[in-house]
Amino acid sequence: ELKVEQNPLFLSMQEGKNYTIYCNYSTTSDRLYWYRQDPGKSLESLFVLLSNGAVKQEGRLMASLDTKARLSTLHITAAVHDLSATYFCALLSGGYQKVTFGTGTKLQVIP
Amino acid sequence: DTEVTQTPKHLVMGMTNKKSLKCEQHMGHRAMYWYKQKAKKPPELMFVYSYEKLSINESVPSRFSPECPNSSLLNLHLHALQPEDSALYLCASSQDVGLGGNTIYFGEGSWLTVV
Repeated sequence: ELKVEQNPLFLSMQEGKNYTIYCNYSTTSDRLYWYRQDPGKSLESLFVLLSNGAVKQEGRLMASLDTKARLSTLHITAAVHDLSATYFCALLSGGYQKVTFGTGTKLQVIP
Repeated sequence: DTEVTQTPKHLVMGMTNKKSLKCEQHMGHRAMYWYKQKAKKPPELMFVYSYEKLSINESVPSRFSPECPNSSLLNLHLHALQPEDSALYLCASSQDVGLGGNTIYFGEGSWLTVV
């Protein structure tokens, strides 16, 4: 059974600080997604990582993928309050039809 | 236009009712999905449609019945639900299953309460 685990599950950080969210998965895949979800809202696509060593950046967020280690990271630089949300990684598997979500990381940025 | 539209946004139904959730996209996407999300949990895949044919059913109880009338529409028919089925139901679409890194776009969801 595919497992996608994130840590930490909850992260409280001050504005201006840096931090990394980790996403570990249990099967081989070279397609990994990061999503953001605000409370009571739907999922917003942040990044699609396609291959080993892929790195993508958008504003204060940078995502990377290491398929050999089965690990993706989402790095937050100089956090601001607007980044407060739950972040999910998600893995494509099952003949490229199934997207399995990680456990989620609830990020709270304190002014 | 990268929009997936879901209706209704909120639905309250009794355990003996029959209702439907509707999803529509006009991006020309050929893959459509239903996910269920309970509070403070990640979304869980229910069904995948590829080119209007059901390709994945994640052992979902038969009280949930999906339907894909055409390439733009996806329905989820609900009958004899249980209170534990109360959740946010998310529809999503992508250009195709398995093609490159195509983004999966999610709708705003339908909040379902079963009483």
